[in-house]
Amino acid sequence: EFVLTQSPGTLSLSPGERATLSCRASQSITTYLAWYQQQPGQAPRLLIYGIFNRATGIPDRFSGSGSGTDFTLTISSLEPEDFAIYYCQHYGSSPRYTFGQGTKLEIK
Amino acid sequence: EVQLVESGGGLVQPGRSLRLSCAASGFSFDEYAMHWVRQAPGKGLEWVSGINWNSGYIGYADSVQGRFTISRDKGRNSLYLQMNSLRPEDTALYYCTKGAGPGRFYYMDVWGKGTTVTVSS
Repeated sequence: EFVLTQSPGTLSLSPGERATLSCRASQSITTYLAWYQQQPGQAPRLLIYGIFNRATGIPDRFSGSGSGTDFTLTISSLEPEDFAIYYCQHYGSSPRYTFGQGTKLEIK
Repeated sequence: EVQLVESGGGLVQPGRSLRLSCAASGFSFDEYAMHWVRQAPGKGLEWVSGINWNSGYIGYADSVQGRFTISRDKGRNSLYLQMNSLRPEDTALYYCTKGAGPGRFYYMDVWGKGTTVTVSS
């Protein structure tokens, strides 16, 4: 069974700090890796696709990296609106459209 | 403005059926894949089903295979999810999402606000 494992489950940081969120795949995947942000009570929003491409309107403090089985979402300097839940997703190939369990980024 | 508006959710007894709809606007609906993604209360995201631009490719999560049917209507710019034999574990907020391209190898670039399905006796 293909699984995406995100770590940590919860990350407590202060505004201005750097956040590093991890997503590990149970088997090597290609470039079909996306990241989404979900604010409380809102629908998810696309942040990153194809491992490192920022979606339209996403600030450049968000960046994606990685290859093979290990992927990272980095937020260079946290703004108050960045505190949310983040999901990674593998899309397209079999098994399809798997999401990680999420990382909650909370204010310290 | 690209917009997805879900409807059709509600409270339903176990074993019964429900049909969700998603009205799409602001883009050429027949050129993009579409999906349903759900989120159980307090839980993460789960892909439910997807359909490519011409309905030539359809996929389902194992958890709904054989019970749910996805379809699309080009003339109505709408996506549907027919849910049969509903179970309490199907209780969730169901999101309609737009693929960023016509086929299966695309991420989801637009999300609706969701419609809530509650399965309970």
